[in-house]
Amino acid sequence: NAGVMQNPRHLVRRRGQEARLRCSPMKGHSHVYWYRQLPEEGLKFMVYLQKENIIDESGMPKERFSAEFPKEGPSILRIQQVVRGDSAAYFCASSRDRVDGNTIYFGEGSWLTVV
Amino acid sequence: DAKTTQPPSMDCAEGRAANLPCNHSTISGNEYVYWYRQIHSQGPQYIIHGLKNNETNEMASLIITEDRKSSTLILPHATLRDTAVYYCISGGGADGLTFGKGTHLIIQP
Repeated sequence: NAGVMQNPRHLVRRRGQEARLRCSPMKGHSHVYWYRQLPEEGLKFMVYLQKENIIDESGMPKERFSAEFPKEGPSILRIQQVVRGDSAAYFCASSRDRVDGNTIYFGEGSWLTVV
Repeated sequence: DAKTTQPPSMDCAEGRAANLPCNHSTISGNEYVYWYRQIHSQGPQYIIHGLKNNETNEMASLIITEDRKSSTLILPHATLRDTAVYYCISGGGADGLTFGKGTHLIIQP
């Protein structure tokens, strides 16, 4: 059973470009979570999605960031017009159901570097 | 803000049991206690979780106090590869899991 798959693992973007990070949840999982980890800091929740729906985006920056989880295909975290402060590790996680009592499994992350 | 309190760092000798404490005094009745660890530059790895009863799996044991205000993660025979940041999380619901600063466990040879 494959785990949570994220790609690309490493991404370099120039300031002002767009970054797209993809996440394929574990088989049978319909709940996806995105977290961001800035250098030397802890993980910060960004957004929680269920197929085709955003359930909680309270941790998403108000501008330039968006997320989707279409009916078919991976979840996408999109960052428009990237700035140096966006350089971070972005982790995707998935669960079979709501987090209550269910295990959330994390991917290995996508490292974004903005130059 | 995280709803748990953990010591920032701990040392443990290789081969000994590592006991990592966590305070979650504001935990509500339907919230679980989860433990994850993160080895440098890797994704968080699930260890164990529980609600009221003590739990054990192939990685660790979780001891939850009767009042559920604190818990202890036990790694029975620590190895150098167990050096990592360990996160204790209490949560549930649509906001995912809120990570705090965790405990940096260093296993000494």
